[in-house]
Amino acid sequence: DGGITQSPKYLFRKEGQNVTLSCEQNLNHDAMYWYRQDPGQGLRLIYYSQIVNDFQKGDIAEGYSVSREKKESFPLTVTSAQKNPTAFYLCASSATGINTEAFFGQGTRLTVV
Amino acid sequence: GENVEQHPSTLSVQEGDSAVIKCTYSDSASNYFPWYKQELGKRPQLIIDIRSNVGEKKDQRIAVTLNKTAKHFSLHITETQPEDSAVYFCAASTDKLIFGTGTRLQVFP
Repeated sequence: DGGITQSPKYLFRKEGQNVTLSCEQNLNHDAMYWYRQDPGQGLRLIYYSQIVNDFQKGDIAEGYSVSREKKESFPLTVTSAQKNPTAFYLCASSATGINTEAFFGQGTRLTVV
Repeated sequence: GENVEQHPSTLSVQEGDSAVIKCTYSDSASNYFPWYKQELGKRPQLIIDIRSNVGEKKDQRIAVTLNKTAKHFSLHITETQPEDSAVYFCAASTDKLIFGTGTRLQVFP
C-alpha cells in the first residue's frame, strides 16, 4: 500500500527535551518537505530536501533539524531551542521536480507539557 | 523568497452559490500553482493545479485562473455543496512549495 506515513500521531514532550518526528514514504519520491500548521497561519515550510544527503532551510527552520540519509525517510527533530514547539506537523513528498503534486502524511500533533 | 497571500480567511456561502478564493504571489519565477483542500482532522489533498503556461483550468465544479502579469490566481467553486466545507490552501512553487494562510469555507444548506 503506497503512501507517506508519519508517526506518531500524537506526541507529548517535556519542555527542554528534543523529540524526533518520523516521516517515511514508499512512493519513490525524490523531494520531501516538513511543514508546521498553526491556526490562522497556514502551512509554513520548515525544511525541504530534493535529493538524498541534501536539504535546505525553509522559512521557519530555527530550532529544528533534519536528515536525509535515505530516499524514503526524512525525520524532523524539534530541539529544545524551538521556543513554541506545540503545533501540528505535516510531512509531504513529491516526485522529481518541485512542480508536481505533493502528497501529505496524516500529521503529528506535538504538545509540549 | 516567495510569499503567498490568500483572501478571504473565512467564507460562508449558501448551498448552490459560488465561492471564490484569491491568492497573490511575489516571486515571478513561480511556475506551479496547486490548490489543496483540508477537511477537519485530515491531511491536505490536491484538488486542482495549474502551471504558468496555462491561463485557466477546469475540473467539473472547480476552476482555477492564473494571471501571471498581476501575479494573481484564483479558485472558483460553482454550485457549492455542504461537503465542500473545508479549509482551502493555495500554493506557489519555484524550488520549494509555499502555501497561503488558508480559507475556511462554510457551505450552509
